[in-house]
Amino acid sequence: GQNIDQPTEMTATEGAIVQINCTYQTSGFNGLFWYQQHAGEAPTFLSYNVLDGLEEKGRFSSFLSRSKGYSYLLLKELQMKDSASYLCAFMDSNYQLIWGAGTKLIIKP
Amino acid sequence: ETGVTQTPRHLVMGMTNKKSLKCEQHLGHNAMYWYKQSAKKPLELMFVYNFKEQTENNSVPSRFSPECPNSSHLFLHLHTLQPEDSALYLCASSQVRGDYNEQFFGPGTRLTVL
Repeated sequence: GQNIDQPTEMTATEGAIVQINCTYQTSGFNGLFWYQQHAGEAPTFLSYNVLDGLEEKGRFSSFLSRSKGYSYLLLKELQMKDSASYLCAFMDSNYQLIWGAGTKLIIKP
Repeated sequence: ETGVTQTPRHLVMGMTNKKSLKCEQHLGHNAMYWYKQSAKKPLELMFVYNFKEQTENNSVPSRFSPECPNSSHLFLHLHTLQPEDSALYLCASSQVRGDYNEQFFGPGTRLTVL
């Protein structure tokens, strides 16, 4: 079957670094997405990984290990505006997205 | 208008009402989606339209009825809903091409069923 898991909530301090993990199980895999969703707003695209390794985009980086069924989103130099939910989703063999429940990230001053 | 728009943003309805949610995408995409988002649960894919043809219906109750008149517009017709249907309903679109399916979301309709 298919399964995807991420922590429900994390807390971090402004200016610090936080890593949000995502693990998945599936027989068909075509890439992994990370989205950011502020409260009451639409999810917005952050990153896409299809090959193993680290993709860096400014303060945000995303890592994928296909053999381990594991990804993480790394946020550096945290700002208060980074307080949001972070959703991971993998693309299955039918190219549909299978979503995790999201990780609510709370940033404290 | 840009991106994906949804109306209304908020809707309160009784269990005997009939209402419709509207979604419009201004991105020239060829696929549109309805998702249900409940607190602390994964996004639940309800319906997929690819080139205006419904390609997915993930065991959604018949009280939800989708309509896709063209590749830019998507509706979700609601009737005799239950309180457990209260949730955020998100519309998304994408340009399906081969092995990539980045989805663009609207702001959602917050639905409350009394």
